[in-house]
Amino acid sequence: AQSVTQLDSQVPVFEEAPVELRCNYSSSVSVYLFWYVQYPNQGLQLLLKYLSGSTLVKGINGFEAEFNKSQTSFHLRKPSVHISDTAEYFCAVSRMDSSYKLIFGSGTRLLVRP
Amino acid sequence: EPEVTQTPSHQVTQMGQEVILRCVPISNHLYFYWYRQILGQKVEFLVSFYNNEISEKSEIFDDQFSVERPDGSNFTLKIRSTKLEDSAMYFCASRAGQFLGTQYFGPGTRLTVL
Repeated sequence: AQSVTQLDSQVPVFEEAPVELRCNYSSSVSVYLFWYVQYPNQGLQLLLKYLSGSTLVKGINGFEAEFNKSQTSFHLRKPSVHISDTAEYFCAVSRMDSSYKLIFGSGTRLLVRP
Repeated sequence: EPEVTQTPSHQVTQMGQEVILRCVPISNHLYFYWYRQILGQKVEFLVSFYNNEISEKSEIFDDQFSVERPDGSNFTLKIRSTKLEDSAMYFCASRAGQFLGTQYFGPGTRLTVL
């Protein structure tokens, strides 16, 4: 079985500061990794995904994430955040099977302050 | 840009009543999903649907739940006899069908069971 851990339930940060949202996963088989963002009163939007190849993945809105197989981590980073980045961020994994269902972490609320 | 839509945005029902949550996936997508998020908890996979049948379901998806694609455009989740613990946000998602294509999520339906 797979599981995803997001240790930080909330991360407060000042505008234009860098941020890292942590994600660790557990799986006995190879998985694919995703970060989704949820803005208030909206659905989940894909930020980026890692399938294979380069371990550094770039996504939308200036976000990037690095896959670290030895540490089973997929941390999300942004060098300079904006007020508009305030949202809930979800890390998720999927294994190659017939349905590609997503298994989510508990989410991290990023709160950007002016 | 095509998007997944869900109706209603908020549904209030009495315990024991049947509810139907509706989703309109992106038109050329072939794989469909329902997830739910109980307040303060993780987003959880419920069921996946492909080629007019369930391809995978979770332990949560018991006999009280059913899914249907009645007319080639709508994708519905029915809960036959709602329980208090069914109160949650329900998300529909769809995927085009290419190898590990992105799952696109709707804005969700908040179900409140009284």
